[in-house]
Amino acid sequence: EPEVTQTPSHQVTQMGQEVILRCVPISNHLYFYWYRQILGQKVEFLVSFYNNEISEKSEIFDDQFSVERPDGSNFTLKIRSTKLEDSAMYFCASSEARTGGPYNSPLHFGNGTRLTVT
Amino acid sequence: AQSVTQPDIHITVSEGASLELRCNYSYGATPYLFWYVQSPGQGLQLLLKYFSGDTLVQGIKGFEAEFKRSQSSFNLRKPSVHWSDAAEYFCAVGARGGGNKLTFGTGTQLKVEL
Repeated sequence: EPEVTQTPSHQVTQMGQEVILRCVPISNHLYFYWYRQILGQKVEFLVSFYNNEISEKSEIFDDQFSVERPDGSNFTLKIRSTKLEDSAMYFCASSEARTGGPYNSPLHFGNGTRLTVT
Repeated sequence: AQSVTQPDIHITVSEGASLELRCNYSYGATPYLFWYVQSPGQGLQLLLKYFSGDTLVQGIKGFEAEFKRSQSSFNLRKPSVHWSDAAEYFCAVGARGGGNKLTFGTGTQLKVEL
């Protein structure tokens, strides 16, 4: 079964550094997402991306965050200047683009990238 | 805005025992409802989903969930738990007309005793 793959599985960075988290969505999917899970907290929506633009973003997704689909296969999340509170597990997801929203187009998640900011 | 509450942070059951994980949602209409499972080191895997119709839905791995509108609940059940079911379980809600965004609960960590 096709999978969403994320690299790296674990990234350690120093506060203030830029970090790029990479994802390869399932090839025929058209919607892409980033979610994050701070340790012990709920999985939170960050952003969704469709047709080469952001379709929705949360309050968490401020100017420090950006997403890009640099080629036909990768989907990246960039954090411009990391803060300690950015430490979390970041999940990429993708879905087809059928009508009926998430019911007819279930999200497929990757295994996540654990980001540790020191 | 929609929200999800999973009141149990940790649950421990014996292998072979039945399981029920609780989920309550808040949403103004009938939402899309989902249960995901996350095994250690793995991503979130969809167990089952509900939108309309029969309020008892069957999923993968022998799981089922029942939608109860009057209680705003969508509890996950399994009649006989296997040791491999030990994982974290997340209930999620999606809004109709709200794109594909999901709102997750805080998760329930399931431990299975042999």
